[in-house]
Amino acid sequence: ILNVEQSPQSLHVQEGDSTNFTCSFPSSNFYALHWYRWETAKSPEALFVMTLNGDEKKKGRISATLNTKEGYSYLYIKGSQPEDSATYLCALRDTSGTYKYIFGTGTRLKVLA
Amino acid sequence: DTGVSQDPRHKITKRGQNVTFRCDPISEHNRLYWYRQTLGQGPEFLTYFQNEAQLEKSRLLSDRFSAERPKGSFSTLEIQRTEQGDSAMYLCASSLSGSGANVLTFGAGSRLTVL
Repeated sequence: ILNVEQSPQSLHVQEGDSTNFTCSFPSSNFYALHWYRWETAKSPEALFVMTLNGDEKKKGRISATLNTKEGYSYLYIKGSQPEDSATYLCALRDTSGTYKYIFGTGTRLKVLA
Repeated sequence: DTGVSQDPRHKITKRGQNVTFRCDPISEHNRLYWYRQTLGQGPEFLTYFQNEAQLEKSRLLSDRFSAERPKGSFSTLEIQRTEQGDSAMYLCASSLSGSGANVLTFGAGSRLTVL
């Protein structure tokens, strides 16, 4: 069974702080990794799709990196704002090559004003 | 297009009853996914379709859970003889094959409470 792990499970940061989370996954048979942001009472929204080792993606103050050889991806938020408060999910495309995606348990971020 | 729609948004039922959820994907999306999410956990894969074909399903769907997508457009997820452990948020997502990224667009979810 494919296991996708995220850490930390939750964290609180002060407004203006920078923070980062980790998504860990098996390094063999990698196809793609997605990051989603899930705000309370809303639908999960896609942030990044990462497919190549060494990929770096950026969207405003949020960026992500990918290391498929060691099996991890980092998500960074620079200068956190209260509106960044959400659960951040990573999802790995199944290593069998199908288009099934396995999600981690998420990192719940609370940015304190 | 209004995005992915799910109905009902909330459902309260008694143990032993059957429930059905509906998902209307983005019209041009040919892949459709069902996930289940419980408190403190990430979305758990249930099944996915490409057009009307159900390509993969978890072991959960071999018993009281069944999903259909008869015309390759909307999909239904039925839970028979509900149990309290079925209480969860049921999420639907859709995507477009051949788009490269296959980004999932999620609906707002259907929250099930089994009493």
